Amino acid sequence: DAKTTQPTSMDCAEGRAANLPCNHSTISGNEYVYWYRQIHSQGPQYIIHGLKNNETNEMASLIITEDRKSSTLILPHATLRDTAVYYCIVSPPSYGGSQGNLIFGKGTKLSVKP
Amino acid sequence: AAGVIQSPRHLIKEKRETATLKCYPIPRHDTVYWYQQGPGQDPQFLISFYEKMQSDKGSIPDRFSAQQFSDYHSELNMSSLELGDSALYFCASSPRTSGVSTDTQYFGPGTRLTVL
Repeated sequence: DAKTTQPTSMDCAEGRAANLPCNHSTISGNEYVYWYRQIHSQGPQYIIHGLKNNETNEMASLIITEDRKSSTLILPHATLRDTAVYYCIVSPPSYGGSQGNLIFGKGTKLSVKP
Repeated sequence: AAGVIQSPRHLIKEKRETATLKCYPIPRHDTVYWYQQGPGQDPQFLISFYEKMQSDKGSIPDRFSAQQFSDYHSELNMSSLELGDSALYFCASSPRTSGVSTDTQYFGPGTRLTVL
């Protein structure tokens, strides 16, 4: 079972920041927080991941609380093309090439509106 | 940049038939994962391979089998197809690692299987 809880859906105005929350209260010390998104029926797309520090890349920012029990994905200037289902996934690092599988929960359906 | 290639993109089969889905990972990626996404469902992990050996197994039915070949491409073989097998099947790949890694998975466009 997924170890995360996310809102079912959210709306965001185009050009505004989209803040997507995720609860992962049972996260283990070595587990990372990953965010993927899936635009209608396309393959899931990696966005960002982090352990305990905040992270930023060209797509988004990830804010992880100090106790690591929750996090927020921030899309700074949402566009219509950001409309997708966003998945927050916690997963341990892989060792020696034995990569871990991703356990997808329900995700948040983000609708960016003009 | 090269992406994960899946073929065919669409496949229609009758009940009790067999199907073979193919996945070609990104060059220099040696780990392959298979996921199944039913209508209105979230992706579910089926099976993964690292260096041609099965590395993890999820909710894959016994009617399904998979393997990874010497060129790292993978095939998912599905027999005795049922109506409930109709789904999107995604393949993902990740690169070679040593030690601890947080390498992400790169997904292909998927194969849409319809069982009639």
